[in-house]
Amino acid sequence: GQSLEQPSEVTAVEGAIVQINCTYQTSGFYGLSWYQQHDGGAPTFLSYNALDGLEETGRFSSFLSRSDSYGYLLLQELQMKDSASYFCAVGRDGQNFVFGPGTRLSVLP
Amino acid sequence: EAGVAQSPRYKIIEKRQSVAFWCNPISGHATLYWYQQILGQGPKLLIQFQNNGVVDDSQLPKDRFSAERLKGVDSTLKIQPAKLEDSAVYLCASSLVVGAGDTQYFGPGTRLTVL
Repeated sequence: GQSLEQPSEVTAVEGAIVQINCTYQTSGFYGLSWYQQHDGGAPTFLSYNALDGLEETGRFSSFLSRSDSYGYLLLQELQMKDSASYFCAVGRDGQNFVFGPGTRLSVLP
Repeated sequence: EAGVAQSPRYKIIEKRQSVAFWCNPISGHATLYWYQQILGQGPKLLIQFQNNGVVDDSQLPKDRFSAERLKGVDSTLKIQPAKLEDSAVYLCASSLVVGAGDTQYFGPGTRLTVL
């Protein structure tokens, strides 16, 4: 089988740093992606990790440890507009995707 | 560049009725996905096409759901007959090629309510 786990909710204040963790169990693992989804909106791509280590894109960074089946998304200098749901997604066998249950991030003023 | 288009945006039907959703992917994108997203959950892959061939439909309830992608461009997802538990947002996404790292671009979705 396959499964992904994420915290259901995270709360932080503007300007802070927050880390959203994702652990996975799957066969044929290729890589870990992160998507952001605002309420009522469509998921939008944030980052992708195929190799161990940290990938940085502006205020967002993503980390992967294949040996630990673990990754995280790091959001720095939080802004109110970052309030959204964040999904990790596992790419398997180079094609199909499994999304995690999502983490709802609330950024407080 | 135009994004992924979906229609209708909203649909309300009664159980046992039929419904169809349409998706037009980004021009040139070979891979097209249909997802079901129940409120408060992550998207669940229903079917994946590579051009006009099916790559994965392992989670598609084939007794009531069907999908096609004629000519390898736009696609239609049909539910017949609908059940209450089909109430969800149906998302279409496309990517340039098929690959675990290829960015998926999502359409706005169709919100289905089954009464």
